[in-house]
Amino acid sequence: GQSLEQPSEVTAVEGAIVQINCTYQTSGFYGLSWYQQHDGGAPTFLSYNALDGLEETGRFSSFLSRSDSYGYLLLQELQMKDSASYFCAVRAPNSGGYQKVTFGIGTKLQVIP
Amino acid sequence: EAQVTQNPRYLITVTGKKLTVTCSQNMNHEYMSWYRQDPGLGLRQIYYSMNVEVTDKGDVPEGYKVSRKEKRNFPLILESPSPNQTSLYFCASSLDLTNEKLFFGSGTQLSVL
Repeated sequence: GQSLEQPSEVTAVEGAIVQINCTYQTSGFYGLSWYQQHDGGAPTFLSYNALDGLEETGRFSSFLSRSDSYGYLLLQELQMKDSASYFCAVRAPNSGGYQKVTFGIGTKLQVIP
Repeated sequence: EAQVTQNPRYLITVTGKKLTVTCSQNMNHEYMSWYRQDPGLGLRQIYYSMNVEVTDKGDVPEGYKVSRKEKRNFPLILESPSPNQTSLYFCASSLDLTNEKLFFGSGTQLSVL
């Protein structure tokens, strides 16, 4: 099966940079995704890494190291609206040979003034 | 507008009373999935469907049924709801099983008394 670990809570100051780490254990691996969820809302897709390295999308970047089974989401120039939960999700083969997405428990980010 | 539509948004019911949560997507997506979200447990997959008439169990399928008679619809059926099924439910879809981007519905908050 698959398992993921990420911190449950992180607090950061407006305008600063914050990194949310995610480590995973899987049998097989296709890629790592990140989703954002505001309180009361639905998860929304942020990024996907299939290969090692950094992917940048505006203020958000995501990094993957397949050899370390590790990734992180980097949020720069933090804004109050970035206060939300952030989920990492691993895409890997399931027992039936199909691809399956498994989510971590989520990291609640609080941005303070 | 491309979207995944879930209904109802909120539902309160009693133990044993059969209910259906509907999910519809207008993006011609092949892959659809149901998740439940509980505090401290993240998003756990209940069932998924690779295409019409093709469904399979996720991590927590007990007590749930699904069907995929049409490409756009993927209802979640609770034949005899129990209090431990009180949860926030999300339907999601993606272009196909290999596509990394999941689109989520707005969620259904279910309370079983």
